[in-house]
Amino acid sequence: GQQVMQIPQYQHVQEGEDFTTYCNSSTTLSNIQWYKQRPGGHPVFLIQLVKSGEVKKQKRLTFQFGEAKKNSSLHITATQTTDVGTYFCAGPESNYQLIWGAGTKLIIKP
Amino acid sequence: DSGVTQTPKHLITATGQRVTLRCSPRSGDLSVYWYQQSLDQGLQFLIQYYNGEERAKGNILERFSAQQFPDLHSELNLSSLELGDSALYFCASSDSPGQGTDTQYFGPGTRLTVL
Repeated sequence: GQQVMQIPQYQHVQEGEDFTTYCNSSTTLSNIQWYKQRPGGHPVFLIQLVKSGEVKKQKRLTFQFGEAKKNSSLHITATQTTDVGTYFCAGPESNYQLIWGAGTKLIIKP
Repeated sequence: DSGVTQTPKHLITATGQRVTLRCSPRSGDLSVYWYQQSLDQGLQFLIQYYNGEERAKGNILERFSAQQFPDLHSELNLSSLELGDSALYFCASSDSPGQGTDTQYFGPGTRLTVL
């Protein structure tokens, strides 16, 4: 069946360093969504990308959707402690239900 | 605050027991989704209801069932509980039937511990 793979599973960074998580789908996606889950919290919607090659920015966060609409990335510039959490991508399956990536946990090294 | 409420916040029970988790969607949302998240794992989609009708099924065990009531709140029933059912159970809601472009708004979750 359709799969959404997300890497890496964990990323440790020093505060101020950049962070990137990658999402790859086994099939072409009509759109991709990104969510953030803070430690002890619930997933919160960040953004949705729809167009091939789309790039969207939210302050220090840059989201990209690949030209083939099978991959996406989230890049955070100059991480801050408030960025800590797990970032999930999710794309619709053929029956329109969201298939979720396993998430990338961002850990800020003390 | 997403506007989605879930009760209880925590639940501790024994193997073999049955529990009911409750979710109230955001005002105006007709879709309710249930997810299971085991420790440090991703989100496993269980089931979706839209306006009282089952809309989609994911990896939901036969021991689990759900329903959505006329007032749109939903309940997830877990029976014959096993240790492996210990997890965080999230409810999410959206305003459309599930067309792949929906933004889902998550509740705070119910943490179930089976001893």
